[in-house]
Amino acid sequence: AQSVTQPDIHITVSEGASLELRCNYSYGATPYLFWYVQSPGQGLQLLLKYFSGDTLVQGIKGFEAEFKRSQSSFNLRKPSVHWSDAAEYFCAVGTDKLIFGTGTRLQVFP
Amino acid sequence: GAVVSQHPSRVICKSGTSVKIECRSLDFQATTMFWYRQFPKKSLMLMATSNEGSKATYEQGVEKDKFLINHASLTLSTLTVTSAHPEDSSFYICSASRGRMGDTEAFFGQGTRLTVV
Repeated sequence: AQSVTQPDIHITVSEGASLELRCNYSYGATPYLFWYVQSPGQGLQLLLKYFSGDTLVQGIKGFEAEFKRSQSSFNLRKPSVHWSDAAEYFCAVGTDKLIFGTGTRLQVFP
Repeated sequence: GAVVSQHPSRVICKSGTSVKIECRSLDFQATTMFWYRQFPKKSLMLMATSNEGSKATYEQGVEKDKFLINHASLTLSTLTVTSAHPEDSSFYICSASRGRMGDTEAFFGQGTRLTVV
């Protein structure tokens, strides 16, 4: 079965601290991989994507993610979190349509 | 980046009535559009995929007679919730793509909050 797991429902970090959001997937073949961010009551904004090539991908707002095929993971990282990063983060995978994880809510304390 | 506009952003309707939600790609031609439903504190659930000029492909468990999807042009898709009931209250999000996944990404609208009273 195809699925995406984001094991952390809620993460709280202090501003300036580093961040890693986990994403694991189960898929028949290597899918395309995405991270999206959603602010309350809003649509989704693409942070970064992996289609092929270098397994470390850079995105907007200082985010990066690393694809590890052996672990079926695509974890999102940021070295220094800003208060404006507080939002819901979704990992998604797919080849012709997207399957979303359940999301991780990030809270940032000053 | 490409812009996808959804309208209305919020709608309240009476139980038993129908409501239409529009999804427009403003600066590109969308060969494929997707409709999602998001429950509170939950992930996005794909409802259907529509290609311009074709019938939509619905995901398992989604009632096609209740959620009517029309993709009449390369820039417009509509979702009509027919005979709405309170359990249809949700956040509906569309996305649009100008090509195949892997060649390009899908762009998301800002969502529509539907409340059925």
